[in-house]
Amino acid sequence: QKEVEQDPGPLSVPEGAIVSLNCTYSNSAFQYFMWYRQYSRKGPELLMYTYSSGNKEDGRFTAQVDKSSKYISLFIRDSQPSDSATYLCAMSWNSGNTPLVFGKGTRLSVIA
Amino acid sequence: DADVTQTPRNRITKTGKRIMLECSQTKGHDRMYWYRQDPGLGLRLIYYSFDVKDINKGEISDGYSVSRQAQAKFSLSLESAIPNQTALYFCATMPANTGELFFGEGSRLTVL
Repeated sequence: QKEVEQDPGPLSVPEGAIVSLNCTYSNSAFQYFMWYRQYSRKGPELLMYTYSSGNKEDGRFTAQVDKSSKYISLFIRDSQPSDSATYLCAMSWNSGNTPLVFGKGTRLSVIA
Repeated sequence: DADVTQTPRNRITKTGKRIMLECSQTKGHDRMYWYRQDPGLGLRLIYYSFDVKDINKGEISDGYSVSRQAQAKFSLSLESAIPNQTALYFCATMPANTGELFFGEGSRLTVL
């Protein structure tokens, strides 16, 4: 079993839809959880960063961590065509002193 | 100008050739990383370095070597390129104890 599992998609939704992206993980020691967004032909960039369990909101984006289920989610409200990208989850048991473990990424297309 | 610069951005080479991918950064971060990205396999860590005197193997270091010439420079070498090293390569930096990676724009390598 891979440490981090992420459905690769592709996921296609209409503009304005609520998008839910998810990752599961097996290592209960993970404490730091991140979502990176990668546009085509670009490097990934950090979108959301959470520590331990709970929710974090930033504009249209909400990151949710459920450590009891080893499950993290990224919700995008009122999705826009500009949200079309690949979304990668990443996690670590310390704040970067050991390398991040990445999911394989989910490709999202938001159709106008 | 980009904070993390990779050269070359695109390279086509032949089996058996020696290839060097270079990365330089102006962010002042001590930690630098080399990843490769393949469709369906996500980001995989090749090597990382926490400072000039520190080099660590990642998940897939076989067939690769690195050199940390200065705090700002981290190069990746393929001593004898083979076709399954065809991939998109990313350099990244990280400030200490943050977990946030800053990626370059990628170097696309094709080995024929």
